[in-house]
Parts: sequence; C-alpha cells; structure tokens
Amino acid sequence: ETGVTQSPTHLIKTRGQQVTLRCSSQSGHNTVSWYQQALGQGPQFIFQYYREEENGRGNFPPRFSGLQFPNYSSELNVNALELDDSALYLCASSFSVGGPTLNTEAFFGQGTRLTVV
Amino acid sequence: AQSVTQLGSHVSVSEGALVLLRCNYSSSVPPYLFWYVQYPNQGLQLLLKYTSAATLVKGINGFEAEFKKSETSFHLTKPSAHMSDAAEYFCAVMLARSRNQFYFGTGTSLTVIP
Repeated sequence: ETGVTQSPTHLIKTRGQQVTLRCSSQSGHNTVSWYQQALGQGPQFIFQYYREEENGRGNFPPRFSGLQFPNYSSELNVNALELDDSALYLCASSFSVGGPTLNTEAFFGQGTRLTVV
Repeated sequence: AQSVTQLGSHVSVSEGALVLLRCNYSSSVPPYLFWYVQYPNQGLQLLLKYTSAATLVKGINGFEAEFKKSETSFHLTKPSAHMSDAAEYFCAVMLARSRNQFYFGTGTSLTVIP
C-alpha cells in the first residue's frame, strides 16, 4: 500500500473521445508524475507537476494534458483518443526540492488500464 | 539523451539459483540509476537506487546492484531466487537534479522454476 490512489482502475473509451484520469498523491507529497505503460513495454514519462505547475514533459503530443490541484492531487487528460493510447497509466508521487539526494522515494499507484476501441 | 537498455526480455532461473538481470545505461553525465519491480496488476515498487554514493547498492528482498562506470552497467543480482521473486523488473535512469523524472528500460520478466 503506497498511499497513491488512481481512479478509475479500468476504463473503455471509443476512438476520438476524451478521457480524464485521476491521481491522489500520498499525504505530504508535492510532485506528481504520469507515465504510460503499453503492453509489454516499460513506462514512458508523460509529464510531471510540481507545486501545481508543469515541470517537465516527455515526448507526448499536446492532446495529453494535465493539472495539479492545491492539495497536490492530479489529473491526466487525453483528447481525441487513438487506439495506440490503450495502455496502463501510472502516476507517481514524491516530495522533492530538486536533486536526486533531496527527493523522497517516488511511490506509484496501481494504475488505470485504458482501452480504446 | 539518457536511456537504459535491458538485455533479455525474459529470464528463467531455478529456485535457489543466482538471479542476474542486466541493465546498461547511456548517459552523457553521471547518471542516477534505479531498479523497480512490478507484480501483476500492480504499480512499481522501488528495489534499490544508485545516486553516486557507494557503487554496490543493497536493496530490499535480498537484491543488490553494482554501478560500473567503465562498463556503463547497473546489473541486478540476488544470490538465491525465491518463488516470490517472479515479476517484471525495470531499470530506470533519472535526469540529474530532476524531481524523480524516470526513463525506464523495456523490462525483464523473471520466471522462477520450482
């Protein structure tokens, strides 16, 4: 049990639709990162939010967007869904001030399994 | 650019045998390296991390890894495999001075044979 909660656990959407995934970070954590894990692949970094602002982005198109709220929970929004968006979406939270020795361990949620048909 | 390569997408070992999972990194600066484990239908759990302190890092569940700069490697080992070690293992590199932004390898699935 990591204290990071993601909802929903499973979701089926139709191509072209929009989806919102939610992540409740561990208490005291100020940083949330989102990852996409396609079947049989490693997680790929989508973006990160630190104290409500985007703080780094991977190689994902603008239709992937996010928010972080004052309580440090976060949303991942994906517009115009494509079949290739089918994946496990993971969020990870940590308390960080920058620098590898200054960050607490990143705790991952169990993920949201998105299927696009 | 920073990246990691995991050699062998599937590894099978007998219970009690040595576990060796390979990871090589590509980085223009000293990297920060991690091993994570993923059990079925679960998120990722940190096994161990290297952040430029001791080159031999000990983690949870009897795992350890050695950072070898000359070989650009960070292989994961465990002297004696247990059935509960069966899982997917990911090597990851973190951007220097980032806030836990990880770039993962493609993973190695470990099977433990009774």
